[in-house]
Amino acid sequence: DAGITQSPRHKVTETGTPVTLRCHQTENHRYMYWYRQDPGHGLRLIHYSYGVKDTDKGEVSDGYSVSRSKTEDFLLTLESATSSQTSVYFCAISPGQNQETQYFGPGTRLLVL
Amino acid sequence: GDSVTQMEGPVTLSEEAFLTINCTYTATGYPSLFWYVQYPGEGLQLLLKATKADDKGSNKGFEATYRKETTSFHLEKGSVQVSDSAVYFCALSDGTGNQFYFGTGTSLTVIP
Repeated sequence: DAGITQSPRHKVTETGTPVTLRCHQTENHRYMYWYRQDPGHGLRLIHYSYGVKDTDKGEVSDGYSVSRSKTEDFLLTLESATSSQTSVYFCAISPGQNQETQYFGPGTRLLVL
Repeated sequence: GDSVTQMEGPVTLSEEAFLTINCTYTATGYPSLFWYVQYPGEGLQLLLKATKADDKGSNKGFEATYRKETTSFHLEKGSVQVSDSAVYFCALSDGTGNQFYFGTGTSLTVIP
């Protein structure tokens, strides 16, 4: 199994509070991704990173920010959580171009009340 | 833009039945195609992939062929087992390594 961990695994928070989710990898892969999984939508890309301090937006980036200060860590922040951000969040990693397979973490279940 | 459409579920089959889950795609360029499987409470795991037209991906008795002429990548298995019960996702990579597009998932339940 790819060495990917996510923390926390479960979180309950209130509307308007900031939330940060962490993805940590031990594979030294260049690419890291954040997805959200919702019924009827499959997985949708929020943000991705192609190197330290190099990030870009995905399909559903509004309301989210990311940071990558080290190769192994990719943080997803909800600056002011809303109920529409209740979801399961998955981190994925990939070696990069021409090695496109993505490897997924176990997920974080977030409930915004 | 690029997208993936897969058949609606849920699908319920008896053990040893034949499985087909349809997947079609829309893409510019030369995408790679993937099937991922998600077991309850877990993240997605790569099941198989194909990187160019006419390639066949296979793993654990599952197969899928990259058909450019029909823009399809249907998942098949000749004899399903109870342990195959999971959600299956078809996915497309746009060839840059930067963007993946997933289908909505098809839930499969195999009953003894």
